[in-house]
Amino acid sequence: GNSVTQMEGPVTLSEEAFLTINCTYTATGYPSLFWYVQYPGEGLQLLLKATKADDKGSNKGFEATYRKETTSFHLEKGSVQVSDSAVYFCALSYNTDKLIFGTGTRLQVFP
Amino acid sequence: DAGVTQSPTHLIKTRGQHVTLRCSPISGHKSVSWYQQVLGQGPQFIFQYYEKEERGRGNFPDRFSARQFPNYSSELNVNALLLGDSALYLCASSPLAGDQQYFGPGTRLTVT
Repeated sequence: GNSVTQMEGPVTLSEEAFLTINCTYTATGYPSLFWYVQYPGEGLQLLLKATKADDKGSNKGFEATYRKETTSFHLEKGSVQVSDSAVYFCALSYNTDKLIFGTGTRLQVFP
Repeated sequence: DAGVTQSPTHLIKTRGQHVTLRCSPISGHKSVSWYQQVLGQGPQFIFQYYEKEERGRGNFPDRFSARQFPNYSSELNVNALLLGDSALYLCASSPLAGDQQYFGPGTRLTVT
């Protein structure tokens, strides 16, 4: 079946460090890929998405590239801030409302 | 504009009881989906409703049911609660089925 695998957290970084959160997926065909972020006490927010192979999604300094050959959608940011501390979820969808999520990766950024 | 709203924010129930969770979508959104997020896990799809009809169902037992009203708000019902039903229940809305989903803050259900 379709699934998403994320690296386990927490990921602990100092402010201005480089961030990578790994995400790989198992799916047939060509799903859309997403990164959602969940700040403490808040609902999920869409961070970025990519709908086809080699697409790059970007938002707020975060980037992720849809890699069909490695079935990956790793999240990166060049310089994290304390305010980026949150739980990040990788997800896939076949353009329906059924999102399939990974287990989430907690990011903790310290000043 | 108001986002997706859910009520109540927190709820404590006893095993065997029934619970109803409510969701109001963003104005103009016709699709509502429900997800269950167990602590430490990613959200799991439960239901999707579009124009008051069920469009999708996840792998959940028949104790879980939902409906959508003419104003596009939605209710999630869970019967015969089990300890394992303790979770954050998320509602998401989108203008049309297949559009970007917008999530509410969730209802935290604790079953004792």
